[in-house]
Amino acid sequence: EDQVTQSPEALRLQEGESSSLNCSYTVSGLRGLFWYRQDPGKGPEFLFTLYSAGEEKEKERLKATLTKKESFLHITAPKPEDSATYLCAVQGVTSGTYKYIFGTGTRLKVLA
Amino acid sequence: GAVVSQHPSWVICKSGTSVKIECRSLDFQATTMFWYRQFPKQSLMLMATSNEGSKATYEQGVEKDKFLINHASLTLSTLTVTSAHPEDSSFYICSARDWHASTDTQYFGPGTRLTVL
Repeated sequence: EDQVTQSPEALRLQEGESSSLNCSYTVSGLRGLFWYRQDPGKGPEFLFTLYSAGEEKEKERLKATLTKKESFLHITAPKPEDSATYLCAVQGVTSGTYKYIFGTGTRLKVLA
Repeated sequence: GAVVSQHPSWVICKSGTSVKIECRSLDFQATTMFWYRQFPKQSLMLMATSNEGSKATYEQGVEKDKFLINHASLTLSTLTVTSAHPEDSSFYICSARDWHASTDTQYFGPGTRLTVL
């Protein structure tokens, strides 16, 4: 059964303190791994799509990497405005209707 | 680009009434849209997959007669919560997949907060 696990569940960082969020997955043939940011009371905002092991993508202070078993979202020198819940989702080849399987998210709080 | 809107952003209704939520892809065509439900501090739970011009596919445990989905055009899907009850109160979010894109990325709407009194 396809599964996604995110860790840690919650993370508190000081401004400027870099860290990484983890997304471990089990899927029968990966079609794509997706990272989203969600602010309270809002819909998820798309960040990255990764397709194959070794792939990396960057956007401002965020960098997403992918291996055959997990993905990391690296946050470099975070700012308070980076505080949000970060969601990871995967799509497997058995998902003929393009369905995502979501992790439970990592709640990030960056303190000034 | 890839903007998805939802209307209304919040709604309060009395128990027993029906509520319709609209999901629109503003700058792209979406043959496939998805409806999710999210409880406080929990992740998104897929309710159904909406395909333009055909019947929606519901996830196990979701009552299709209670949550009616219509995807009549390439830019609009609607979710109607029929005979709503307080336990239907939740945050409903839609997403859409760009028909022309080579990726399977879903773009999400801002969500609709439903409160049933």
